[in-house]
Amino acid sequence: DQQVKQNSPSLSVQEGRISILNCDYTNSMFDYFLWYKKYPAEGPTFLISISSIKDKNEDGRFTVFLNKSAKHLSLHIVPSQPGDSAVYFCAAIGGTSYGKLTFGQGTILTVHP
Amino acid sequence: GAVVSQHPSWVICKSGTSVKIECRSLDFQATTMFWYRQFPKKSLMLMATSNEGSKATYEQGVEKDKFLINHASLTLSTLTVTSAHPEDSSFYICSARTGGSNYGYTFGSGTRLTVV
Repeated sequence: DQQVKQNSPSLSVQEGRISILNCDYTNSMFDYFLWYKKYPAEGPTFLISISSIKDKNEDGRFTVFLNKSAKHLSLHIVPSQPGDSAVYFCAAIGGTSYGKLTFGQGTILTVHP
Repeated sequence: GAVVSQHPSWVICKSGTSVKIECRSLDFQATTMFWYRQFPKKSLMLMATSNEGSKATYEQGVEKDKFLINHASLTLSTLTVTSAHPEDSSFYICSARTGGSNYGYTFGSGTRLTVV
């Protein structure tokens, strides 16, 4: 049962444009969401997070939007840079997960110069 | 910031042998560490939660006798893949919680295990 889903396995964007990565979840008990960036053969690095009491959180070029009613969140990267090319995972915490992260499948972002 | 060191970064072993992977919190104490496994083009799947001084908690479907976890100190957790088989080949990642506003998860750099 995939409680966190990233339905787009890959996304290709031109440098300078906006990258939008999407994530859906099914567990209504999730109350905290995180985005991680991962390069091949490396561990994930934290990007940005959002609590369920908010609908938007912004940090520099990265903005995360949360739509609780739709159980959907998205990560916006503006402007996209070639160095942003990586795999992006969304993750969720809450309910009976006791602080354990539940990850989506990841989306491969490629930013072309 | 908090750093989690994972070693080795890659290892090749023969079928039937055991492999130990170490996860160290370098500048903080971690009472809880997490072990994940990532299959190619797949999500990170939580294998077990490692608790200092007590038994690890394994996720459903993970063989505890196959994947031995020891968390003997506040800065070290180890995962031993026993009697490794080719299907155990995967990317293993540890994580420790440091607290903080983002729940303070810091990940190790991962270990690529190849069983031949």
